[in-house]
Amino acid sequence: DSGVTQTPKHLITATGQRVTLRCSPRSGDLSVYWYQQSLDQGLQFLIQYYNGEERAKGNILERFSAQQFPDLHSELNLSSLELGDSALYFCASSVGVPGLSQDTEAFFGQGTRLTVV
Amino acid sequence: TQLLEQSPQFLSIQEGENLTVYCNSSSVFSSLQWYRQEPGEGPVLLVTVVTGGEVKKLKRLTFQFGDARKDSSLHITAAQPGDTGLYLCAGAPLVTTTSGSRLTFGEGTQLTVNP
Repeated sequence: DSGVTQTPKHLITATGQRVTLRCSPRSGDLSVYWYQQSLDQGLQFLIQYYNGEERAKGNILERFSAQQFPDLHSELNLSSLELGDSALYFCASSVGVPGLSQDTEAFFGQGTRLTVV
Repeated sequence: TQLLEQSPQFLSIQEGENLTVYCNSSSVFSSLQWYRQEPGEGPVLLVTVVTGGEVKKLKRLTFQFGDARKDSSLHITAAQPGDTGLYLCAGAPLVTTTSGSRLTFGEGTQLTVNP
């Protein structure tokens, strides 16, 4: 158990819909990352938050947004869903921020498997 | 943008064989991490190497960080079916860099160990 909790574990929804994925980081971790992993592909970095503020942005679509709340949990919102958005979405957390801290080891949740039909 | 290239992309071997997976970059990293991911699960951290030239051993797995902190390797001795999985390397930028504050992940090496 990594200590990172993601809900829901599975999500099936129709095209055009909007969903929210939730992540609770490990206790004490201030940094939260979101990744997308499509079938047989590596991890695609979406976005990172640190202590409530956006720190880094990857190839995140405009239809996607995220935020980190004062209690440090994070949500990833996916809207106007398309079939190609079907993927595993992972949240990870670390104590610090790469580039500013040596505590950068990332701990991943079990992911949310999103299926868009 | 810092990139990490992993090779080989796919590796299928027989139980008992040895193998090495490589992670290379033109950028210098403050540390490099190795993860293993099983199907449908999140990546699990195996090891972090910090010092150039550092070697760490985890049972049959040996991890090495290059002297210049630009590359790393993972060597598995006498591979077992339980070693099957996607192996990912990830680099953390130097403390002084302003190019970004995120871990850079390689594309991964999919290892299959056949009984």
